[in-house]
Amino acid sequence: QKEVEQNSGPLSVPEGAIASLNCTYSDRGSQSFFWYRQYSGKSPELIMFIYSNGDKEDGRFTAQLNKASQYVSLLIRDSQPSDSATYLCAVNLDLAGKSTFGDGTTLTVKP
Amino acid sequence: GAVVSQHPSWVICKSGTSVKIECRSLDFQATTMFWYRQFPKQSLMLMATSNEGSKATYEQGVEKDKFLINHASLTLSTLTVTSAHPEDSSFYICSARRGGSTETQYFGPGTRLLVL
Repeated sequence: QKEVEQNSGPLSVPEGAIASLNCTYSDRGSQSFFWYRQYSGKSPELIMFIYSNGDKEDGRFTAQLNKASQYVSLLIRDSQPSDSATYLCAVNLDLAGKSTFGDGTTLTVKP
Repeated sequence: GAVVSQHPSWVICKSGTSVKIECRSLDFQATTMFWYRQFPKQSLMLMATSNEGSKATYEQGVEKDKFLINHASLTLSTLTVTSAHPEDSSFYICSARRGGSTETQYFGPGTRLLVL
């Protein structure tokens, strides 16, 4: 079992729809959770981070964390073609703070 | 925001040569820097964790004598790929973290290495 698992996709949604991206992790002691967006040929850029159970909203993005079920999700409302990218879930598994990344979910938003 | 730069952005070299990649945090002091490698259509693979003034911690399977990491100051870390071979061709990305273990990493733009 991978430490951080994501559906590889591709996930395709129409413009204006809600895109839902999921991530599960194996270590119950994980402390912090991050979502990054990576365009093809570019390095990752941070979208959101979340530490506590519940929802955290930032503009069109909402991160949801459920530590009991060991999953974290990212919702993108009013999806735009510019949201088309690979979304990486990252989890800090230990006190050293290094992040373990999932393999990413490729999202395509169709006009 | 927190800005991290990398230099060079791309490099082509002959097999057997060494290549140095610089990673700089431009507007903050980075207590920790990370070096990743990413092959096409694959996820980020952590190579090593670098703390200022101490030796880097390498991930399992990463040859420390081949990938030399130096974190000489709170704003600069370097990765040297020694005696590069075609299989070392990849996208090398650094990230920098400002403070504690739960702090966010900020990624550099990456360096694309092609070894002929």
